[in-house]
Amino acid sequence: GAGVSQTPSNKVTEKGKYVELRCDPISGHTALYWYRQSLGQGPEFLIYFQGTGAADDSGLPNDRFFAVRPEGSVSTLKIQRTERGDSAVYLCASSLGGESSYEQYFGPGTRLTVT
Amino acid sequence: AQSVSQHNHHVILSEAASLELGCNYSYGGTVNLFWYVQYPGQHLQLLLKYFSGDPLVKGIKGFEAEFIKSKFSFNLRKPSVQWSDTAEYFCAVRGGNAGNMLTFGGGTRLMVKP
Repeated sequence: GAGVSQTPSNKVTEKGKYVELRCDPISGHTALYWYRQSLGQGPEFLIYFQGTGAADDSGLPNDRFFAVRPEGSVSTLKIQRTERGDSAVYLCASSLGGESSYEQYFGPGTRLTVT
Repeated sequence: AQSVSQHNHHVILSEAASLELGCNYSYGGTVNLFWYVQYPGQHLQLLLKYFSGDPLVKGIKGFEAEFIKSKFSFNLRKPSVQWSDTAEYFCAVRGGNAGNMLTFGGGTRLMVKP
């Protein structure tokens, strides 16, 4: 079956611009996670959705970052006034539910480069 | 907050050599432990996981990991590596008062020479 998909696969933007990154989770998965992976590091948690609501947004670095999941399926990560330090691979993962017993399946990521 | 340490950043082995990658986490209590692998050009995939029970966990492709609670460790092992095991390996922890998200280590890049 189809896995987690993310678009675009690559995004180059200028400093100060606004970007949106999209995640399509596996069908039927109610939990959705966003992570950010900087070069040479492991993924870092940003935000977790259970259904339509953000159950935990403690990983968002500042108020320039925002994410939505209005219908409980597709999610969009939005970054305002991008900075060069935002350059990273943004990963999305989904799971059947939020319980710890459910495996998180990762998408291929969106590589964001801020010039 | 939970933190995860992977002590080996780069490992180079010849085929048929044995592999052990270290992973330590900081916060005790009830945790779930994972090893993920990322092959070149591919996305993260789950190798194995530990939730409870037998601390020796077997995963795909001949990998196994041992949970040692007293040492806060979850080391990954494989008795005989293959060239196709060349990849980056990430240890991750869930729980331990850190919610449902995964906390990842920095990764270990493994190169297996044919």
